[in-house]
Amino acid sequence: GAVVSQHPSRVICKSGTSVKIECRSLDFQATTMFWYRQFPKKSLMLMATSNEGSKATYEQGVEKDKFLINHASLTLSTLTVTSAHPEDSSFYICSARSGAGGFYNEQFFGPGTRLTVL
Amino acid sequence: QQQVKQSPQSLIVQKGGISIINCAYENTAFDYFPWYQQFPGKGPALLIAIRPDVSEKKEGRFTISFNKSAKQFSLHIMDSQPGDSATYFCAAGEAGTALIFGKGTTLSVSS
Repeated sequence: GAVVSQHPSRVICKSGTSVKIECRSLDFQATTMFWYRQFPKKSLMLMATSNEGSKATYEQGVEKDKFLINHASLTLSTLTVTSAHPEDSSFYICSARSGAGGFYNEQFFGPGTRLTVL
Repeated sequence: QQQVKQSPQSLIVQKGGISIINCAYENTAFDYFPWYQQFPGKGPALLIAIRPDVSEKKEGRFTISFNKSAKQFSLHIMDSQPGDSATYFCAAGEAGTALIFGKGTTLSVSS
C-alpha cells in the first residue's frame, strides 16, 4: 500500500513552453500533497503544500505564477511549470499524506520527474 | 528553529559493518521523525519512522534511536550490505505541517 505515482518520469521541453507533471496516490486518499525540487546531490527543497480543494501554499522564494499547483481531487495533484527556462531543469518530486490514522504525518513519495529545459 | 542537522555528509562502511547516521533538531513541537532512503534517479522511500514516546524502534536491520532530551535521533543499519548504498535523509515534523529534511548522507558499503 501507500503508492504514489508521477507522470511523466522524464520530460524534455523547449525554453518558453509549459510542462505539466501529475502526482497520483494510487491506494489511499491524499488530503495533502507536497511538491519538492531536488538538485543533484542535494536535499529536498519544499516548493509548496496543497490541500485538496484549496489553493496551494508556496514556500518563500517560489514563484506561484510560474509553478502552478492544482489539487483537484483526493488522489491527484498537478504541477505546471509555465514558460520553462533552463534554470527550471531539475528533479521534481511529489509526496502525499493521508492524515487518516496511523502516523498522521506519514508522507509517501513519488518516483520523481526529471525535467530538462533546452 | 526549523533546521534538522544531519551528519556525516558521507559514510563508507565495510560489508557487514554498522552504519550510523545522526540527526539533531531544535523545534520541540516536532512529533514525527522518519528516515528516507533514496537511490539515484528515484524518489525517497520511507524506511522507518519513530514518534517521541519511544526511545527505539527496530525493523529488520534498521533501528532508530531517539533521545528526546538531547533532541537527537539516529539511524543504525546493522550488517550493512552493498545494496544499502544510497543517500539517507532524516526528517522531522509535526502534525499538519510539512516535513523538514536534513541535508542527506551518502552511504557507500564496500564489498
